[in-house]
Amino acid sequence: DAKTTQPTSMDCAEGRAANLPCNHSTISGNEYVYWYRQIHSQGPQYIIHGLKNNETNEMASLIITEDRKSSTLILPHATLRDTAVYYCIVKLDGQNFVFGPGTRLSVLP
Amino acid sequence: DGGITQSPKYLFRKEGQNVTLSCEQNLNHDAMYWYRQDPGQGLRLIYYSQIVNDFQKGDIAEGYSVSREKKESFPLTVTSAQKNPTAFYLCASRHGGAVGYTFGSGTRLTVV
Repeated sequence: DAKTTQPTSMDCAEGRAANLPCNHSTISGNEYVYWYRQIHSQGPQYIIHGLKNNETNEMASLIITEDRKSSTLILPHATLRDTAVYYCIVKLDGQNFVFGPGTRLSVLP
Repeated sequence: DGGITQSPKYLFRKEGQNVTLSCEQNLNHDAMYWYRQDPGQGLRLIYYSQIVNDFQKGDIAEGYSVSREKKESFPLTVTSAQKNPTAFYLCASRHGGAVGYTFGSGTRLTVV
């Protein structure tokens, strides 16, 4: 399994873009990059996933570098409700997920 | 609406007692999972089941037991053998071949 490295915590001003990095230098060709977030005392919520191409949905954008060794989750206009722990996970489709400590994002008014 | 229901949200038990946490899903998902989360930590896999009447141990199965008699249900029993059972327990499900998990809202177990 590819290991991921994320910063422990980040701050972002409300209304600004939040850019959350993830390093996964040992990723293999068939492994997907997934992002989930967990708001305090709730279950994790799926945000987005990708393999090689950049992806965008109603929640966020995922930018994967060409060598696939790192990625960035972008929340384009962060709100106070985006304050959460964000998990970057690298897995083959069908494998069990492992959730590390993630990045604690604080959106500040 | 389809989803996963965990009950109860909060549970208190005396030390030495077994306790069963409920997890029910109406998403018609094949696979179900139990995770444990301690304060400030990530999620650790306890048990998972890919199909009815079959389940496998995760990374921290000691002191826990599960059953999967129905597709919709995957109850977790925290036994007296679990040395430090106070934690936040999360249940999840996934449809076979799909890439994402759906999580329940969790049960916070406190053993006194």
